[in-house]
Amino acid sequence: DAGITQSPRHKVTETGTPVTLRCHQTENHRYMYWYRQDPGHGLRLIHYSYGVKDTDKGEVSDGYSVSRSKTEDFLLTLESATSSQTSVYFCAISEYGTGHQRSLHFGNGTRLTVT
Amino acid sequence: GIQVEQSPPDLILQEGANSTLRCNFSDSVNNLQWFHQNPWGQLINLFYIPSGTKQNGRLSATTVATERYSLLYISSSQTTDSGVYFCAVDRGANNLFFGTGTRLTVIP
Repeated sequence: DAGITQSPRHKVTETGTPVTLRCHQTENHRYMYWYRQDPGHGLRLIHYSYGVKDTDKGEVSDGYSVSRSKTEDFLLTLESATSSQTSVYFCAISEYGTGHQRSLHFGNGTRLTVT
Repeated sequence: GIQVEQSPPDLILQEGANSTLRCNFSDSVNNLQWFHQNPWGQLINLFYIPSGTKQNGRLSATTVATERYSLLYISSSQTTDSGVYFCAVDRGANNLFFGTGTRLTVIP
């Protein structure tokens, strides 16, 4: 258990409304990630963070912003939700092992529906 | 980005059977991981295996980096092995590229 909690677990919202998803970790991992999962696309990286206030874009970052004001919390914001952002969102952390080992561990996901 | 292809897309097995899942990737990689997504949607990290062979119980994985493929072996399959298996790779740039998965159904 990598100690990752996502909230909320489910959310339904209307087009044009802002939405914030939260990821909380308890083990002080430096790297945190937001992925979305859609049928036929696997998982795709939205944004990631490599430390407090340090973030970078992934391959599908348009329409999303992130913030990390504390090591343990990584927030994903949809400023104005669209139906194309209906998806399952996963937060993840990188756990570093011996050598260059970097294992990714996921939270349980947030199912977001934009109507 | 790196292209990741997984085969087969779907696999149905009788309980107790063995299976091999394949992951091909289009470029050299520093990082290759296998994940299992169970029917409840949870993603579990199975292996970090950019090269070589590892075993964990009934599961083992082999990556031949020079030939750009990895294999996941499941022996004596159980119904709890059902779900989707994902392969993911990167070149050290903190962006794992995922395949679209192999959906495994194990029938009792």
